[in-house]
Amino acid sequence: EAGVAQSPRYKIIEKRQSVAFWCNPISGHATLYWYQQILGQGPKLLIQFQNNGVVDDSQLPKDRFSAERLKGVDSTLKIQPAKLEDSAVYLCASSLDRVQGRVTQYFGPGTRLLVL
Amino acid sequence: DQQVKQNSPSLSVQEGRISILNCDYTNSMFDYFLWYKKYPAEGPTFLISISSIKDKNEDGRFTVFLNKSAKHLSLHIVPSQPGDSAVYFCAASARTSYDKVIFGPGTSLSVIP
Repeated sequence: EAGVAQSPRYKIIEKRQSVAFWCNPISGHATLYWYQQILGQGPKLLIQFQNNGVVDDSQLPKDRFSAERLKGVDSTLKIQPAKLEDSAVYLCASSLDRVQGRVTQYFGPGTRLLVL
Repeated sequence: DQQVKQNSPSLSVQEGRISILNCDYTNSMFDYFLWYKKYPAEGPTFLISISSIKDKNEDGRFTVFLNKSAKHLSLHIVPSQPGDSAVYFCAASARTSYDKVIFGPGTSLSVIP
């Protein structure tokens, strides 16, 4: 079974530029998550999709970050304009619907962003 | 406000000995707890979990203990192996919050051969 795919793996941009990240979840996984992991901290949820609807985007800085999940499969996360403090690893994860019990999230390798 | 805390940023253990990683939480609504393991340049991978109705869950060399009254959990690895060297994240979620997972800052474990 193929895992969660992300691209690019690394990106260096200057502040005020824009950048986009792509995620392809595990086939059949209805729920998709984007996390931001700043060095020395744990992953922080930015947005959670259930199919192509947003479940939680309470910690997404909506003035500069946007995300979409077209057709309930792939997703893109965009930052425009980027700030120095956006330097982090952006992780995508996916999970099956929770019918009984609890979900397990499967993470991609992440995109490491450096804003200069 | 850090709801999940891992107060030891790093831990070194000799191969074959026990590794104990600790985690504390503040939100009494958390009812499910997870440990994730992360190698450099990879995403976190699920290791083991425990529901709040239990106080212990074991999977091979890994055991998680939960003390609800103290809002504390720990991960025991016995025996520790060099391949266990990684960053370990404690995480917690609550059904009342759509299972939103809150991660701790992580503990870097080094197992010395």
